This record gives sequence, C-alpha cells and structure tokens, in this order.
Amino acid sequence: NAGVTQTPKFQVLKTGQSMTLQCAQDMNHEYMSWYRQDPGMGLRLIHYSVGAGITDQGEVPNGYNVSRSTTEDFPLRLLSAAPSQTSVYFCASNLRQNTEAFFGQGTRLTVV
Amino acid sequence: AQSVTQLGSHVSVSEGALVLLRCNYSSSVPPYLFWYVQYPNQGLQLLLKYTTGATLVKGINGFEAEFKKSETSFHLTKPSAHMSDAAEYFCAVSKANFGNEKLTFGTGTRLTIIP
Repeated sequence: NAGVTQTPKFQVLKTGQSMTLQCAQDMNHEYMSWYRQDPGMGLRLIHYSVGAGITDQGEVPNGYNVSRSTTEDFPLRLLSAAPSQTSVYFCASNLRQNTEAFFGQGTRLTVV
Repeated sequence: AQSVTQLGSHVSVSEGALVLLRCNYSSSVPPYLFWYVQYPNQGLQLLLKYTTGATLVKGINGFEAEFKKSETSFHLTKPSAHMSDAAEYFCAVSKANFGNEKLTFGTGTRLTIIP
C-alpha cells in the first residue's frame, strides 16, 4: 500500500519558471490538501479539495493552482516561480476533512 | 475559528527523562485532536489522536496525551526519552461535527535528546 506519493523529492527552479508538483494517493480518500512548511511557521495550507472536481483556497494560495480531475491525483502548479516559494511542500489526504491526515514524503523546492 | 498553540519551539531533555510537549487549542465545539511527528527529511506521521471516549490516549513509540477540556489542553508525554525520539512534533485540531473545518496545525516543537 503506497499511501501518498509525491514527486519529485527535490527541485531547483529559476525565477519565472513554472512546474507541477505531483501527488497521488491510493486510499480512495475524499479530501486532499497541499501544505508548505517553512521554519518557525509550521504547516500552512495552500489549497485543498473535498472531492474530484472540487477545489478551494487555503491560507496561502497566491502563486499556486490546483485541479482534481480524479480522486487519486491532486497536482500543484507553480505558475511563475518566485524565491518566496522556496519551501518544503507536503501533500496530504484524509478520508474526510476532519479526520487524520496521511502525508507524503515532501518535495523540497528551491527557487533561485 | 479554531487554533493551536504549542508552547516552546525547542525542548531539550536528557535521555531517560520525562518528555512533556505542550499543546493548547481553541475551538467553539468539541474538538478532534492529533499529534504528529516529523523525523528529519520525512513527512509527518500520526502519533496519536483523540476523537471521543477516553481522555487519555496512547500512541505509538510509548507516547500518550491527555485531553483536558477544562484547560483546553492536549499535552504529549513520554515517561522516558530515547535518542530516537529526537524529531519535530506538531499538534493539530479539527472539529468533531462534520463540517468544513480543516485540520489546523501548531507551529511545531523540536525535541532534542541529550545523551
């Protein structure tokens, strides 16, 4: 059972480049979310989805897009990378919104 | 709105000593409470959770936490620290009633174990 799988594990981007962080889960969970983790700030919610075709903004959505075409996949797109987006990104899935979250291993992104 | 406060961004204890990591929450309705652990370069892993029932919750690796409604607290303890407990710990809260409240995380406490 793979759980939540994120790719890539590491990425370096130049300012202005775009890219997509991939997230897939095989637990048939309704709810998926993206967080960024920065020193001293804990985890901040970027975007979330309560099911296929439904997404919404979290605490820090600017500069990121998401879509949820299937239950399994929830990619995060950086439209035009900025140094402020240097962070570790975590994808998580929950059976429902208020239940325990299962996390991927994270993607460490550096924007130069 | 719900929130979580973790007192102490860094905690150091000696190997074999008691571990106490503090978490206070605010929620207008009965909460669900969680503790997660993050080892270096890893994702977050669930340690334990409180939903309903017994207020003393036991988790993995010898950790436990007690839900105290009167104190709005959910502190994490372990009687005897081990070197392998060195990690970052996050407390999180959500609401017990089905609704649109998402998990809200604290800012984390980094636990260091002194040999």
